Amino acid sequence: DGGITQSPKYLFRKEGQNVTLSCEQNLNHDAMYWYRQDPGQGLRLIYYSQIVNDFQKGDIAEGYSVSREKKESFPLTVTSAQKNPTAFYLCASSISGQGSDTQYFGPGTRLTVL
Amino acid sequence: AQRVTQPEKLLSVFKGAPVELKCNYSYSGSPELFWYVQYSRQRLQLLLRHISRESIKGFTADLNKGETSFHLKKPFAQEEDSAMYYCALRGSNYQLIWGAGTKLIIKP
Repeated sequence: DGGITQSPKYLFRKEGQNVTLSCEQNLNHDAMYWYRQDPGQGLRLIYYSQIVNDFQKGDIAEGYSVSREKKESFPLTVTSAQKNPTAFYLCASSISGQGSDTQYFGPGTRLTVL
Repeated sequence: AQRVTQPEKLLSVFKGAPVELKCNYSYSGSPELFWYVQYSRQRLQLLLRHISRESIKGFTADLNKGETSFHLKKPFAQEEDSAMYYCALRGSNYQLIWGAGTKLIIKP
């Protein structure tokens, strides 16, 4: 696959700890996204970035933070303020952030809070 | 409200039978809709978009504005079609709104 990578594949966190999920892409895409996926639910948008050094909150941004200092990188931090962080997290990228472009997905990170 | 509904969590059909995965949407403007698919152990990927009016892997989807639907169809199911299928709508903020997904199982 290549193109967009996420690490780690599995992540365990103790309650009260912040944790950062990595997302990198080498597709030269301007836009990047973070989604959360819970059983029986569709993807829910956490944050998105349409261009480097800029990002916007999605539908469920509370308890999460992001940065976009480099075009190829869009790390997501799950903070202790996130009430129910155990979930599967997907990162995606697209040529632009206008919604019509194909989104390319990473393999995901499964976060478990112990 | 902008919303995508996939009423079936699970759909099971026999190989060679027709397949229809349902997708209904709620959107006040002119909708732009997509189907994404995730095969076992593979990444989520675009299957088709309504503006392209294309057929991918034998699947087609027609936008019906009167019924606010974008059902995915294939006349003869194959075992390799077994996967998770998601319908998505481009929202007013240009971001995708996703349905909950339908797991399609093709029985031999």
